[in-house]
Order: sequence, then C-alpha cells, then structure tokens
Amino acid sequence: EPEVTQTPSHQVTQMGQEVILRCVPISNHLYFYWYRQILGQKVEFLVSFYNNEISEKSEIFDDQFSVERPDGSNFTLKIRSTKLEDSAMYFCASSADRGGSYEQYFGPGTRLTVT
Amino acid sequence: EDQVTQSPEALRLQEGESSSLNCSYTVSGLRGLFWYRQDPGKGPEFLFTLYSAGEEKEKERLKATLTKKESFLHITAPKPEDSATYLCAVSDYSGGYQKVTFGTGTKLQVIP
Repeated sequence: EPEVTQTPSHQVTQMGQEVILRCVPISNHLYFYWYRQILGQKVEFLVSFYNNEISEKSEIFDDQFSVERPDGSNFTLKIRSTKLEDSAMYFCASSADRGGSYEQYFGPGTRLTVT
Repeated sequence: EDQVTQSPEALRLQEGESSSLNCSYTVSGLRGLFWYRQDPGKGPEFLFTLYSAGEEKEKERLKATLTKKESFLHITAPKPEDSATYLCAVSDYSGGYQKVTFGTGTKLQVIP
C-alpha cells in the first residue's frame, strides 16, 4: 500500500541553524501539506501546496518557513533560523484531488529538537 | 474560526466494553469531518470522512456518525489493539478547503 515517507525521523539542531525536513508524498497525489504537533498538543496546519505553489498557509507559517518541491517526488519544509519553540513533530501529508474524497494521508513524522 | 472539541480527553475501557467518543465542532460551512487514529510517536492514520448530517460509516469495530453539531465514534467490543488517540478534524468552505483543523483527541486505553 502506498505511503508517505519522511526523513529524517529525528533531527537535533542548535538554535539559529537552518533545517530541511524531507517528505516523499504518495506518487499520484497532487496536494501536499505540512503540519506540526508540539508535544502534548494538537496537530496544527502549517501550509498546503499545489501545482508548485503555496495554496494556503496558517499564521504559524511565517517568513522563517518555506516549502519546495525540488523534483517530481520530494516535498521539503525549510526552517531558516530555528527557535526553541520550533521543537515539535512535523508531519507531511498528501491527498489525491479536490473533489470527492480528499482525505489527507500522513507520514510518520520528523521529530525536531532545537537546543 | 473553526473549532473542534473532543471528549472525553481520556477513556479507559475493559476489553469488550463498548463506548463512544464525542467530537463537537463549530464551522461556518462543513466541507468534511475526519476521524484519524494516532499511535504514540506516529502520524495520524485516516479512518473516516463524513460529509453531511445523518451520514454513517463503519470499519471493523468502529462506526462514525455525524449530526449538524457533533460527531460520534462508536467503538463496539474494543480490543487492546484499539488503544490509541482518536483525532477528529474538520474542513470548511469559508477558508481554504485544504486546511484541516484538529481537535486535541481522545486517548483510548483498552485493558485486557
């Protein structure tokens, strides 16, 4: 069964450093997303991406964040200058299309620890 | 702004003891309500989508129902492997439809 994959599973970085989180969405999906989940809190939407551009973003997704689909398979989230409060699980998700069923399928997550 | 409230926060059941989880939501226009299962340290696993009041969906021991204000996830004769956090989420028509707002979840523990 097709699945969303994410790398690395755990990333430790120092405050102020740049990190890139990587995702491989399900191959025939067209919409891609990033969410984060701070330990013990709810899953929060960050950004959605379609046709090589951001289609929607939340207030959390400020200028420190960017997303990119550098090739036909990868989807990345970059945090330019990490802060302690960026420590969280980051989930990538993908969905097939707009109409009908547009359930989002999530990857296993990357745990980001900022020290 | 969409709001999703789940109750109870935690639920402990004996194996075979059926129960229901509640999800109350406030949206300007519901596009879809989703149920996910999340195991510790893992990503949410899709279970159901419900689109309109009165709709029901079933999968093994789980049954999801929807009204205009809330959704229930009924668990019939649960087994220990059903232990997980169950997340409810909504998407509405007013904002971008791709944005999904999650509740904080109900942590279910099923004891053998």
